[in-house]
Amino acid sequence: QLLESGGGLVQPGGSLRLSCAASGFTFSSSAMSWVRQAPGKGLEWLSSISDGGYSTYYTDSVKGRFTISRDNSKNTLYLRVDSLRAEDTAVYYCAKGIVGALNDAFDTWGQGTMVIVSA
Amino acid sequence: EIVMTQSPATLSVSPGERATLSCRASQSVSSNFAWYQQKPGQAPRLLIYGASTRATGIPARFSGSGSGTEFTLTISRLQSEDFAVYYCQQYNNWPLITFGQGTRLEIK
Repeated sequence: QLLESGGGLVQPGGSLRLSCAASGFTFSSSAMSWVRQAPGKGLEWLSSISDGGYSTYYTDSVKGRFTISRDNSKNTLYLRVDSLRAEDTAVYYCAKGIVGALNDAFDTWGQGTMVIVSA
Repeated sequence: EIVMTQSPATLSVSPGERATLSCRASQSVSSNFAWYQQKPGQAPRLLIYGASTRATGIPARFSGSGSGTEFTLTISRLQSEDFAVYYCQQYNNWPLITFGQGTRLEIK
């Protein structure tokens, strides 16, 4: 199970830290990812992190503004989102691959946390 | 970036009938391909991975086929709970995972 938190209303240029608490599987052995969905739009992969946290990957649109990290001792995934823009308004999901690999389909998703960027 | 193009954008089908959804990749993704179902207010649900393998708990009326650049999701004998939005995804060009824009399956 995955449970996101940390979303909310933030002004343009602001920051948030999103969290994803994991349970029911060996978190420290699983790569993890963040995917977002703007209102009424499709799914967009944002970022992934290896099981140990040593390797991170980002889509170009968030590179330099978003930072993925994890704390395996707390079974928690994070996404620090900085320099927020109106177009970052979306539901943010954390997701896990089927076998916990990086290049994998996502069989476990959180319920999502909403981020609204508005003045 | 591999662009995933789904067709049609909206599909109207009657309950009990068959629905066929398509997805085309701008370049080969081998069989590193998945289908998801999403209902309003819910997270996506994995239906098919590896182009044709049903995920755990997915009914047999869902089937996937294809490889390379052309993929199909077939839902036989549509039930009321199947009306939703469906997304395709490639994870071959990792880490640049990409999704299609979605097909809305509506009741005719």
